[in-house]
Amino acid sequence: EAQVTQNPRYLITVTGKKLTVTCSQNMNHEYMSWYRQDPGLGLRQIYYSMNVEVTDKGDVPEGYKVSRKEKRNFPLILESPSPNQTSLYFCASSLLGALAVYNEQFFGPGTRLTVL
Amino acid sequence: KQEVTQIPAALSVPEGENLVLNCSFTDSAIYNLQWFRQDPGKGLTSLLLIQSSQREQTSGRLNASLDKSSGRSTLYIAASQPGDSATYLCAVSNREGGSEKLVFGKGTKLTVNP
Repeated sequence: EAQVTQNPRYLITVTGKKLTVTCSQNMNHEYMSWYRQDPGLGLRQIYYSMNVEVTDKGDVPEGYKVSRKEKRNFPLILESPSPNQTSLYFCASSLLGALAVYNEQFFGPGTRLTVL
Repeated sequence: KQEVTQIPAALSVPEGENLVLNCSFTDSAIYNLQWFRQDPGKGLTSLLLIQSSQREQTSGRLNASLDKSSGRSTLYIAASQPGDSATYLCAVSNREGGSEKLVFGKGTKLTVNP
């Protein structure tokens, strides 16, 4: 089954404790991205990657890191989480980049992160 | 900077009614527009994607239109059902400062009452 998976689905942690949220897709997609969703603010892009070893900042990259060492994986790293990073996080992928004429986005199920 | 607005923020209708959700965007230089559905606590599911050169797309009871020059899109849902209850999001893709961006509206929360 074609899908985007994220782990963990739920995470409660404390300020300053490094964490990684994994994202994997099995569709051989080139484009992957991370979003956070907050009430009243909607979905905002954190980082995206056009292909292996190619990443770029989205609208809200502060406090986050990403890497794209393999085509299928795009982990989101919070080196020193803070309470303002409490949010619902989504990973997404598409065959081509965001500007491709046809680039249907496939989303993972989400990771609900709470930073105390 | 691209901004996407969805009106109304919430909509409640009786079952069987036809309805229209609206999406507007400030920068008409988009590459495509996509409508998504999000169920509570779940991820987003793509409903329809309209390429910048297209005027509309249809899938079952859903029809999405795009007027790029005026910066508007509508999602028409025919004969609504309680199972259509969800939040509907639109997103546009465009280039901004050398980056490829997908910008989302805040969504319309639809409730279809039996």
